[in-house]
Amino acid sequence: DVKVTQSSRYLVKRTGEKVFLECVQDMDHENMFWYRQDPGLGLRLIYFSYDVKMKEKGDIPEGYSVSREKKERFSLILESASTNQTSMYLCASSPGGLEETQYFGPGTRLLVL
Amino acid sequence: GIQVEQSPPDLILQEGANSTLRCNFSDSVNNLQWFHQNPWGQLINLFYIPSGTKQNGRLSATTVATERYSLLYISSSQTTDSGVYFCAGRTMTTDSWGKFQFGAGTQVVVTP
Repeated sequence: DVKVTQSSRYLVKRTGEKVFLECVQDMDHENMFWYRQDPGLGLRLIYFSYDVKMKEKGDIPEGYSVSREKKERFSLILESASTNQTSMYLCASSPGGLEETQYFGPGTRLLVL
Repeated sequence: GIQVEQSPPDLILQEGANSTLRCNFSDSVNNLQWFHQNPWGQLINLFYIPSGTKQNGRLSATTVATERYSLLYISSSQTTDSGVYFCAGRTMTTDSWGKFQFGAGTQVVVTP
């Protein structure tokens, strides 16, 4: 079974702090994704990566950056956390090529005070 | 990007009932997925179904790409089917690769 893990289930940070969210997948998938989920809005894509050191902006990249130094790990960085970044953050991976089925991690609930 | 509309937004079912969830797209989609999010927040991929019909146990899905919709059928519902169901799709344009658009979800509650 594909396993996608995220570093924290719950996180509380203060406005202005730098926040790192880590995601690891164990199935040698090419593609990795970061979404945020807010009530009534579904999931919105922040960034994705189709290869090591490669990244593409999603629909809402402002205020976020990402890093993929190793194939299995994809990090989401909030350079200076703000209260409007309080949300559920979900990481996903997919095999690559024509296979786009996405597998999700358990999510990180981030509260920015 | 494409707009995704899911209906109904909420659904309450008695255990054993059948139901149909719908997903409409503003443009033709070539790749479509259905997910179930359990009450603990975990999203599970149910179907990857760009077209046609697939079945997995009590669940089945049908996508009619040319008419821009997909249906998810739940038969003989069980309390474990409770949660939020999302559909997500993307068009096959080069600039849309990786950019799945999700609907707002259908919240399903199955009562004993």
